[in-house]
Amino acid sequence: DGGITQSPKYLFRKEGQNVTLSCEQNLNHDAMYWYRQDPGQGLRLIYYSQIVNDFQKGDIAEGYSVSREKKESFPLTVTSAQKNPTAFYLCASRGGGSTGELFFGEGSRLTVL
Amino acid sequence: AQRVTQPEKLLSVFKGAPVELKCNYSYSGSPELFWYVQYSRQRLQLLLRHISRESIKGFTADLNKGETSFHLKKPFAQEEDSAMYYCAPADTGGFKTIFGAGTRLFVKA
Repeated sequence: DGGITQSPKYLFRKEGQNVTLSCEQNLNHDAMYWYRQDPGQGLRLIYYSQIVNDFQKGDIAEGYSVSREKKESFPLTVTSAQKNPTAFYLCASRGGGSTGELFFGEGSRLTVL
Repeated sequence: AQRVTQPEKLLSVFKGAPVELKCNYSYSGSPELFWYVQYSRQRLQLLLRHISRESIKGFTADLNKGETSFHLKKPFAQEEDSAMYYCAPADTGGFKTIFGAGTRLFVKA
């Protein structure tokens, strides 16, 4: 079953703790993305990676970190420096060619207590 | 700065009525333009892309470069069109895609 898998679906964290969200894809896509979705604000780009071992900051990268050691995986760490981490996080990937279509995971909801 | 504006947070129409979801963008260069849709309990997915000049589920989108708009239209709305719609420009090659705040379309019976 091809697609993008995010885990966990729900995560609770205490203030001051780092947490890592997993994103795995078996679509053989080069590019991967992390977005944050808040009510009334749509999706905001956190980080994206066009190729293994390379990634770029999006519009709201502060307080987040990523790695891209494997083509299939693009984990996102929400650090304690992120001031308002409670949100819904979406991972996406994009294949080659010029279509530009993004394929999304089901998302992870992080709640900071 | 790159920006996407979807002025309506909520759009409510009756079944069979025409619908237009507005999108204005500010993006350097010549962006590629997309509309994404999220139905209840489903993943966000592509609805249509400008480059394909296609009509999907009866929806079309007209690009007006002068007004930098990419409005989504359907002549006769159906109840199953009820969903959240996002306008999304991307840089040439489509690597950096940004999204508008979204418009929730509610089609009443």
